[in-house]
Amino acid sequence: DIQMTQSPSSLSASVGDRVTITCRASQSISSYLNWYQQKPGKAPNLLIYAASSLDRGVPSRFSGSGSGTDFTLTISSLQPEDFATYYCQQSYRIPYTFGQGTKLEIK
Amino acid sequence: EVQLVESGGGLVQPGRSLRLSCAASGFTFDDYAIHWVRQTPGKGLEWVSGISWDSGSIDYADSVKGRFTISRDNAKNSLYLQMNSLRAEDTALYYCAKVARASGWLNQGYFDCWGQGTLVTVSS
Repeated sequence: DIQMTQSPSSLSASVGDRVTITCRASQSISSYLNWYQQKPGKAPNLLIYAASSLDRGVPSRFSGSGSGTDFTLTISSLQPEDFATYYCQQSYRIPYTFGQGTKLEIK
Repeated sequence: EVQLVESGGGLVQPGRSLRLSCAASGFTFDDYAIHWVRQTPGKGLEWVSGISWDSGSIDYADSVKGRFTISRDNAKNSLYLQMNSLRAEDTALYYCAKVARASGWLNQGYFDCWGQGTLVTVSS
């Protein structure tokens, strides 16, 4: 199985900060990398697919980049509603696998 | 509104069976692959199984292969997961999730709609 490793596992930041979360795959996955946001008690919500494509309705302050094994999710200016847990997921090969999550907390 | 609603979870003893259901509405169900993903505090998100729009492609995680069976009834806009020989490690919140692209499979395995989840607890 392809292992997905996110860093950091947790992150404290302030409203207005620029934040970057990293996801590394254990082998090349081309651009088949997706990002989700999950808030407590809710299902994950798709933010970005194919490494850099924003899903419909997702604010433009979210962006994704990378290919091969290294990917990043960037939030350009944190808003109060962005404090949540973020997961990466590869869709290069079944079984699909997820990163362990990055919890973004208010500083 | 695109919606998925899971049901069928509960408390079950090890070795017993349970059948989960996922009712879909708000989209053309038989155009989309649907998957089951489970979540636990310890192991995070784990993909369990998926079925293509026409049931022509089906896959399972190794951890459930031979014990779980996924199926769908396009006439009823419903997805199912038959879970047999349940183990304590199957305890999780089970989500059904719809792929974003019609007729998408494999590389289009990203999920733009998830249900609210149904909790399965395997314990004696």
